[in-house]
Order: sequence, then C-alpha cells, then structure tokens
Amino acid sequence: DVKVTQSSRYLVKRTGEKVFLECVQDMDHENMFWYRQDPGLGLRLIYFSYDVKMKEKGDIPEGYSVSREKKERFSLILESASTNQTSMYLCASSMDRGWNEAFFGQGTRLTVV
Amino acid sequence: SQQGEEDPQALSIQEGENATMNCSYKTSINNLQWYRQNSGRGLVHLILIRSNEREKHSGRLRVTLDTSKKSSSLLITASRAADTASYFCATDGQAGTALIFGKGTTLSVSS
Repeated sequence: DVKVTQSSRYLVKRTGEKVFLECVQDMDHENMFWYRQDPGLGLRLIYFSYDVKMKEKGDIPEGYSVSREKKERFSLILESASTNQTSMYLCASSMDRGWNEAFFGQGTRLTVV
Repeated sequence: SQQGEEDPQALSIQEGENATMNCSYKTSINNLQWYRQNSGRGLVHLILIRSNEREKHSGRLRVTLDTSKKSSSLLITASRAADTASYFCATDGQAGTALIFGKGTTLSVSS
C-alpha cells in the first residue's frame, strides 16, 4: 500500500517560531503537495512539487516555503509562525499531475499560540 | 483559481437511504475525482471519472459527469453509519496541474 507519512499528528508552536512540517512517501511518486484545511474553506493548495528541487506556488503560498531535496520527502516551512496559520495541514503525493489519484497523509493539526 | 463547489454543504439521512451530493466546477477538466475524509483524518480516494466518461460505478458508489454543465454527482446507495464523513470533489484543471478541491459535503448517516 502507498504510504504518505506526516511527521506529527499534533503540533503546538509559538508565534514567530520557524516550523517544519515533514512528509515522506514510499511509492516513488514524482508529485507531492501541501494543502491546508480550514472549516468552511475546504482544502487550499499551498505549494506543490513535480520533481526534486522543484516547487510551484499554489493558491496561498504567502508565509510558507517548501523544500524537496529528495524525491520521497517534501517539507513545508513556516518561516515565522503566526496565529492565522493555525490549521490542519495535509500532504499528498501522486504519480503524475492530477491525472491519477492522490494519496494523503493523516494530517498535522498545527496550533500557533 | 478553479475550484469545485459541492452541494449541499451538509446532508443528514437514515441508514438504508441513498445520499446524493453534487459538484460544480468552472473550467474544462481532464478528470474529476471524489474523496472521503473521516473526521480529523486524511482524505481517501473513492473514484475517478475522466472527461470522456459519463458514468462510473464502484460498489455502492455511482458517479456521473456532465461536462456540458460542468457538474458531477456522487450517489451512495443504501447508506450505512460508516459512510458518515465529508466528501470532496477535486478537479485537475486544463493544464493538468495539481488537484483543486471543493469545500466538501458533510454527510451524517444515523442508525
């Protein structure tokens, strides 16, 4: 089975901290994605990557950056965490650009205090 | 950016009844997918329908696609309490870019 693993289920960080959310997939997928999910807003795309060291902005990249040094790992970085970044963060991977199904991690619920 | 919109936002039914939820989108697509999310968890892929298909079945799921109306529907027949979840449609957009999700329909099935 495809497995997408996010490093933490729950995370509490302080305002201004630099936060790293890690995501690892074990199926050699080329594409990886970071979404955030908020009540009433659904899933919104933050960043995605189609290849190692490659990244593209999604709909809401402000305040975030990403890193993909290895194919299996895609990290989301909150440069200076703010309370409005309190959210559920979902990582996903897929074989190609949306033509096939995406596999999701279990999510990281981040609270910034 | 393009986004699917599910309707209704919330749906409550009894076990054994059918549940129908709809999705509308804005631009042409290559495929449309439906996902389920149990409370506080990640999303699980249910079914994919390509733009040249009109209907697809998988177990108790039936998906239709009308590209002329830019809409899709997901029918769950003989609902069970375990079907209680949020359901999202997702589209890939014209350029085959990353999946864009709607806001979801929350389904509650009571026994």
